[in-house]
Amino acid sequence: DIVMTQSPDSLAVSLGERATINCKSSQSVLYSSNNKNYLAWYQQKRGQPPKVLIYWASTRASGVPDRFSGSGSGTDFTLTISSLQAADVAVYYCQQYYSNVNSFGQGTKLEIK
Amino acid sequence: EVQLVESGGGLVQPGGSLRLSCAASVSDFSGYAMSWVRQAPGKGLEWVSGITGSGDTTYYADSVKGRFTISRDNSKNTLYLQMDSLRAEDTAVYHCANYGSGSYYNDVYYYYYMDVWGKGTTVTVSS
Repeated sequence: DIVMTQSPDSLAVSLGERATINCKSSQSVLYSSNNKNYLAWYQQKRGQPPKVLIYWASTRASGVPDRFSGSGSGTDFTLTISSLQAADVAVYYCQQYYSNVNSFGQGTKLEIK
Repeated sequence: EVQLVESGGGLVQPGGSLRLSCAASVSDFSGYAMSWVRQAPGKGLEWVSGITGSGDTTYYADSVKGRFTISRDNSKNTLYLQMDSLRAEDTAVYHCANYGSGSYYNDVYYYYYMDVWGKGTTVTVSS
């Protein structure tokens, strides 16, 4: 099975500053047949279910602010929040769907410094 | 838009069984693959199981394989998770989630990211 590892486990960033979360997969999640990375990012706020932010590693889901961006390919991926807002306090998870036995990273807790 | 509502959680003794349900309000339920994802208290998300839209193919995490069974009744727009031989480490909030899309490759259906989630139902395994 594919193991997803995020770093850091927690992060404190000042309002208006950039936040960067990393995700590494134990094997490539890039399908050569369509050149797509089978990687999504989710945001989970306290007491709420997760919400998809990014899919195909870099495509923003509908309604997601453009301060959120995803990058990377193969085994190494990054979620970037360009200018942190108070509403962005949450736990962020990466997820691979390269295999139908999906898996998540352990999560990164993002707080305001 | 798809809406998902889970039910069936509760307190059960170790070794016991429980069946969770997820009611979907969507016009073409059979067109969507579905999943169960759990979250233990204070912990991260753990994918548990997935099922294709027709229900003919299922997948499980190693941690529940042989103990949990995912199924669906497309005539009732409902997803199920039968949980047997429950352990304390199965204690969690269980969410159902919808895979908005997918595709076939070499006759295998691959589902993509989860775009709609239910609020979850709580399962507590304790004596």
